[in-house]
Amino acid sequence: SQTIHQWPATLVQPVGSPLSLECTVEGTSNPNLYWYRQAAGRGLQLLFYSVGIGQISSEVPQNLSASRPQDRQFILSSKKLLLSDSGFYLCAWRGDRRNTIYFGEGSWLTVV
Amino acid sequence: QKEVEQNSGPLSVPEGAIASLNCTYSDRGSQSFFWYRQYSGKSPELIMSIYSNGDKEDGRFTAQLNKASQYVSLLIRDSQPSDSATYLCAGNSGSRLTFGEGTQLTVNP
Repeated sequence: SQTIHQWPATLVQPVGSPLSLECTVEGTSNPNLYWYRQAAGRGLQLLFYSVGIGQISSEVPQNLSASRPQDRQFILSSKKLLLSDSGFYLCAWRGDRRNTIYFGEGSWLTVV
Repeated sequence: QKEVEQNSGPLSVPEGAIASLNCTYSDRGSQSFFWYRQYSGKSPELIMSIYSNGDKEDGRFTAQLNKASQYVSLLIRDSQPSDSATYLCAGNSGSRLTFGEGTQLTVNP
């Protein structure tokens, strides 16, 4: 069966520090992968999606970036965090052609 | 106009009642619709998907889709306190999935 994991689960980072969140999927090959962000009490905002190694589409211009160095690995990065980057970050993968997506456990980021 | 809009809530129902959650979407090309449940502090989990007009039932949950009205709903029968969560409606726009802001449901014992 397919599983998705992301880490770290929680982190507190100072403004201006770098960020790296990692996500891996097991049990499938060449999945579509997604990074979403959820601000407190809000819906999910799609940040990036990837249909293959090295292929990244950005949905929202910001100081975040994403990379997909391997088929089942998706990384979210920032060189300098802003206070507004705080939120719940969710990695997800597409399970079928109907666009059913499944989420990882999420990473809570607090920028102080 | 937001691509997916949900009734803002919060919604409170007594235990055993029917909870009704509603969602509208703007992209007439959307073909797939989903309801996710999100407990506080946790990631969303898929509870229902629907692709055709009409009703789809799964246990206590019924999803309804009306493409002419661009309307999706979720009914929860015999609501339980464990159903208390935020419910997210989502619809596809091409290969992307767009989410509403969610409706917070509280089921009171």
